[in-house]
Amino acid sequence: KQEVTQIPAALSVPEGENLVLNCSFTDSAIYNLQWFRQDPGKGLTSLLLIQSSQREQTSGRLNASLDKSSGRSTLYIAASQPGDSATYLCAVGENNRLAFGKGNQVVVIP
Amino acid sequence: GAGVSQSPSNKVTEKGKDVELRCDPISGHTALYWYRQSLGQGLEFLIYFQGNSAPDKSGLPSDRFSAERTGGSVSTLTIQRTQQEDSAVYLCASSLVPDTQYFGPGTRLTVL
Repeated sequence: KQEVTQIPAALSVPEGENLVLNCSFTDSAIYNLQWFRQDPGKGLTSLLLIQSSQREQTSGRLNASLDKSSGRSTLYIAASQPGDSATYLCAVGENNRLAFGKGNQVVVIP
Repeated sequence: GAGVSQSPSNKVTEKGKDVELRCDPISGHTALYWYRQSLGQGLEFLIYFQGNSAPDKSGLPSDRFSAERTGGSVSTLTIQRTQQEDSAVYLCASSLVPDTQYFGPGTRLTVL
């Protein structure tokens, strides 16, 4: 069974600092990896999707990398802003389902 | 529609009652998924639809849970004889397989 781990579970950073969120997974036979953002009481917003054949994806201040062989992905958020405060979820796509980590809860301090 | 919609947004029910949760996927998305997010737990997969058929329902926690999809569009998740441990946020997602899954806002179910 796929196990997805996100470290750290929670972190606070001052505004302007870069954020680095880590995700690891146990089974490298994946189709893709997706990063989501979840705000309190809300659904999930897709941030980036990396196909298994890709190494990274970028969107604005966000960059996600994928090292399938070592079972790792990193989400990098440049120049963090208070509006980036949220929970970030890593999800591994396999067999028509997503396996989720428990998330990185981020607070950006103004 | 513009996105995935779910109804109701909140549902409070008494233990032992049946509940129905509805999902309207993005128009044209052939794949539909149900997930559950319990307090302190991660999101867990429940069931996957491709069109109107469910090739993977392995995540349904018990036979009290069932789901159907009609017309390749709307899906209903039914929980019979609800228990307190069924309290959770139920999330629906849709996609053009295999691609980005787009999630609805969820239904928060509270079983008293």
